[in-house]
Amino acid sequence: DVKVTQSSRYLVKRTGEKVFLECVQDMDHENMFWYRQDPGLGLRLIYFSYDVKMKEKGDIPEGYSVSREKKERFSLILESASTNQTSMYLCASSFTTGVGNTIYFGEGSWLTVV
Amino acid sequence: AQSVTQPDIHITVSEGASLELRCNYSYGATPYLFWYVQSPGQGLQLLLKYFSGDTLVQGIKGFEAEFKRSQSSFNLRKPSVHWSDAAEYFCAVSGNQFYFGTGTSLTVIP
Repeated sequence: DVKVTQSSRYLVKRTGEKVFLECVQDMDHENMFWYRQDPGLGLRLIYFSYDVKMKEKGDIPEGYSVSREKKERFSLILESASTNQTSMYLCASSFTTGVGNTIYFGEGSWLTVV
Repeated sequence: AQSVTQPDIHITVSEGASLELRCNYSYGATPYLFWYVQSPGQGLQLLLKYFSGDTLVQGIKGFEAEFKRSQSSFNLRKPSVHWSDAAEYFCAVSGNQFYFGTGTSLTVIP
């Protein structure tokens, strides 16, 4: 089975803190994704990466950055956390986008910024 | 532009009743379609997927979905709902990117 592991399930951070959300996948997937999920808004893509050290902005990249130094690991960074970044964050991975892909999700990280 | 629409934000069904969740997509080429389920506080779990071939696909937990190209639909069905099916359901289409609907929340009443 595909395993996408998000290291932190629940975090509480203060406004202005730097926050790291870590994600590891064990299927040698080329692509990794970070989504944000808010009630009524569904899943919104923050960033994705199609290879080591490569990244592309998604729909809502403002206030976020990412790092992919190893193929299996994709980190989401909030440089200076703000209360409007309180949300559920989902990491996902897949083989190369295009036909026949399936995207697999981690369990999610609940971030509260106070 | 590619998109996925789930017209029903919330559905309530009685335990044992049948279920159909609607999904419409907009995609220029042959779509690759998915249904995911999300239990409260959890990530998204793949229920089933359609890539090609038989337009009726079977998934886990007794779910099935039917691809209808003429209607641009990929509706999810289950003949008899169990209380444990209460969750959020997402339809998605894959091309160069993945596009998700905004989800349908299912409540199951005894």
